[in-house]
Amino acid sequence: GEDVEQSLFLSVREGDSSVINCTYTDSSSTYLYWYKQEPGAGLQLLTYIFSNMDMKQDQRLTVLLNKKDKHLSLRIADTQTGDSAIYFCAEKNNQGGKLIFGQGTELSVKP
Amino acid sequence: DTGVSQNPRHKITKRGQNVTFRCDPISEHNRLYWYRQTLGQGPEFLTYFQNEAQLEKSRLLSDRFSAERPKGSFSTLEIQRTEQGDSAMYLCASSLSFNSPLHFGNGTRLTVT
Repeated sequence: GEDVEQSLFLSVREGDSSVINCTYTDSSSTYLYWYKQEPGAGLQLLTYIFSNMDMKQDQRLTVLLNKKDKHLSLRIADTQTGDSAIYFCAEKNNQGGKLIFGQGTELSVKP
Repeated sequence: DTGVSQNPRHKITKRGQNVTFRCDPISEHNRLYWYRQTLGQGPEFLTYFQNEAQLEKSRLLSDRFSAERPKGSFSTLEIQRTEQGDSAMYLCASSLSFNSPLHFGNGTRLTVT
């Protein structure tokens, strides 16, 4: 079945790079996504990558995809206190296009 | 702002009452999704529509839950005879097409007392 797994917590110092990791099981997923959720709010789309790509860069964000290992990572350069939030990885299900989410990684940025 | 809009933001109800939530998707987005999120968990898929057709329902969606999208624009999610286990954040998302990303609203937080 479909399953997406993430580590639950990550703590970094302001100015360092953060790397959030995710593994997924559905090898037929065409798109993989990263969303950010702040307390009491909905999910904000950060970035996504098509499955035939290895890497995508968007300003401070870099997404790496290892399709063989079904491993996705999100690197945030120069992490700021405003980046503190929960980050969700999601894979797109090819039957219907719904997203399957991981449990989320809580990123804590210390000044 | 023309993002996904959900109302109400918060709903407190007594066990056994019925509640209805509304979602207004981004204009021209023909796909609309409902998710449920409990504390410390990722969003779980409930159901989705393409235009007015409800194409998939999760087994999480018990008989007490019903969703509609009568004219292919806004959608409602109704929960009948609410139970304490229904307490959660209910999230709505829309997308332009199958390959487009989902854009989420801010959710409706339901508390059943």
